[in-house]
Amino acid sequence: DAGVTQSPTHLIKTRGQQVTLRCSPKSGHDTVSWYQQALGQGPQFIFQYYEEEERQRGNFPDRFSGHQFPNYSSELNVNALLLGDSALYLCASSLAAGGPQYFGPGTRLTVT
Amino acid sequence: GEDVEQSLFLSVREGDSSVINCTYTDSSSTYLYWYKQEPGAGLQLLTYIFSNMDMKQDQRLTVLLNKKDKHLSLRIADTQTGDSAIYFCAEKGEDSGAGSYQLTFGKGTKLSVIP
Repeated sequence: DAGVTQSPTHLIKTRGQQVTLRCSPKSGHDTVSWYQQALGQGPQFIFQYYEEEERQRGNFPDRFSGHQFPNYSSELNVNALLLGDSALYLCASSLAAGGPQYFGPGTRLTVT
Repeated sequence: GEDVEQSLFLSVREGDSSVINCTYTDSSSTYLYWYKQEPGAGLQLLTYIFSNMDMKQDQRLTVLLNKKDKHLSLRIADTQTGDSAIYFCAEKGEDSGAGSYQLTFGKGTKLSVIP
């Protein structure tokens, strides 16, 4: 039973560029959440997708957007990258009906 | 707003018990979670407790919840060097609340196990 997978593992971008991160949920899960984890901090909630719509959003600017596909996989897009966007981006999947969130290994984004 | 606080560091000797503490402010929390993060890795779900429970035991792990004081603890019995990691406490609000779907995390407690 595959867990949550994310790609790529690492990414280096330049300020002002755009980036797309991808996530496949755990088998049987229908909900995907994205978190940003800065160095030395706990994860911060970006948004959650269910039924291909953004169900809830944290305190992040509109430069952060996402998408969920019919197969429940998801993308996180960040436009106009800033140095402060450098972080580990974590995807978590769960069931809309309830239950815990399971996390993937993360994508390490470095903005130079 | 919601806030989760943890002490940043804990050092124990191999074979001793570790106790990691957490306090939270959201009285409407429904579930409280403990996650483990090893260097360079994602978060591994260790255990969780529903807010109407006061204790949960799972092999070497014991979770205690004091809802009145909004205090959660994780006890690891017979701590091993492989338990060295950062441990995060997280809470989830009630389903009808504004922040209901998100997890709110503490900054994590770095557990160091001395051989």
